[in-house]
Amino acid sequence: DAGITQSPRHKVTETGTPVTLRCHQTENHRYMYWYRQDPGHGLRLIHYSYGVKDTDKGEVSDGYSVSRSKTEDFLLTLESATSSQTSVYFCAISEVAGGSEQYFGPGTRLTVT
Amino acid sequence: GESVGLHLPTLSVQEGDNSIINCAYSNSASDYFIWYKQESGKGPQFIIDIRSNMDKRQGQRVTVLLNKTVKHLSLQIAATQPGDSAVYFCAENRGDYKLSFGAGTTVTVRA
Repeated sequence: DAGITQSPRHKVTETGTPVTLRCHQTENHRYMYWYRQDPGHGLRLIHYSYGVKDTDKGEVSDGYSVSRSKTEDFLLTLESATSSQTSVYFCAISEVAGGSEQYFGPGTRLTVT
Repeated sequence: GESVGLHLPTLSVQEGDNSIINCAYSNSASDYFIWYKQESGKGPQFIIDIRSNMDKRQGQRVTVLLNKTVKHLSLQIAATQPGDSAVYFCAENRGDYKLSFGAGTTVTVRA
């Protein structure tokens, strides 16, 4: 998985609790992304980062926040988890913008009860 | 709105036959297209890409065709093997560093 790890790999949490997912890369790539994957929807971009402390929203950012204090780490936080956020979350990295393939991590399966 | 989509959600193919997976896109400004393969329980894996100034690109047992006239993208897999069973996604890059993904086609290889 191109030097990308995600933690935790599985998590069950209750509605209303905060949750933080971590993505760690060893490739020193500038760009990092968080996606969610749900049946019938493919992969949808939540947030992305184009450098340390530089982040922006994707198409499904409501209810999520991100932080990137170091090149290698990109954190996704659900401030108050809801059942609609039950999903598989993937982190991805890319070396350059505008046409470079993205490399994906192994995913985190999150269940909100 | 503009989006990337795949024609069929599932494809069943006999081992040894060729597979063709199709994708339609509607954003004529997209300049880069990628095919990903996702095996069960894993993240998507890059297969092959093609730029909008090309109409064909070949890799190892795979060929991607791009028809800009009808905004159609296809992935051909030669001599399909059991290890090719997976979900295949097409994705388009619209000139920035974000990708837009289709919903995926599940390929099942019959022995």
